[in-house]
Amino acid sequence: EPEVTQTPSHQVTQMGQEVILRCVPISNHLYFYWYRQILGQKVEFLVSFYNNEISEKSEIFDDQFSVERPDGSNFTLKIRSTKLEDSAMYFCASRGQGGSYNEQFFGPGTRLTVL
Amino acid sequence: KQEVTQIPAALSVPEGENLVLNCSFTDSAIYNLQWFRQDPGKGLTSLLLIQSSQREQTSGRLNASLDKSSGRSTLYIAASQPGDSATYLCAVQYNQGGKLIFGQGTELSVKP
Repeated sequence: EPEVTQTPSHQVTQMGQEVILRCVPISNHLYFYWYRQILGQKVEFLVSFYNNEISEKSEIFDDQFSVERPDGSNFTLKIRSTKLEDSAMYFCASRGQGGSYNEQFFGPGTRLTVL
Repeated sequence: KQEVTQIPAALSVPEGENLVLNCSFTDSAIYNLQWFRQDPGKGLTSLLLIQSSQREQTSGRLNASLDKSSGRSTLYIAASQPGDSATYLCAVQYNQGGKLIFGQGTELSVKP
């Protein structure tokens, strides 16, 4: 069964460093999302991406964040200068288009630890 | 503000019991609602999706209902098993392709 994959599973970085989190959405899906979950808190929406551009972003998704679909399979989230409060589990999700394809499928997550 | 609330926050039941998890949302104009399961430290597994025009969806021992007018959904788990122990999350979507807004989850523990 097709699934969303994410790498790495765990990333440890120093405050101020840049990190890139990678996702491979389900092939033929057209909508892509990043969410995050700080330990003990709700899953929060960061950004959605469709047709090679951001379709919606949250207040969390400030200038330190960017997303890219560098090729036909990968979808990346970059944090330019990490802060302690960026420590969280980051989930990528994808969905197909229209009809019964409204379901969002999530990857296993990348746990980001900022020291 | 569009918010999703889940009650209870935690639930412990003996194996074999039927149980109900609750989800409520402040803005009833949803496009669809999705229930997820999350195991500790893991990703989100989609369980059921209910479109706004539907009243319920079933998958195996799981049944999700939707009452859009009252802003509520329930997830019914029949004959619970220890393997059902996990956190169950409810999330709503307000437009096609839009973001999911999540509740805080119900942590379920099923004791053998």
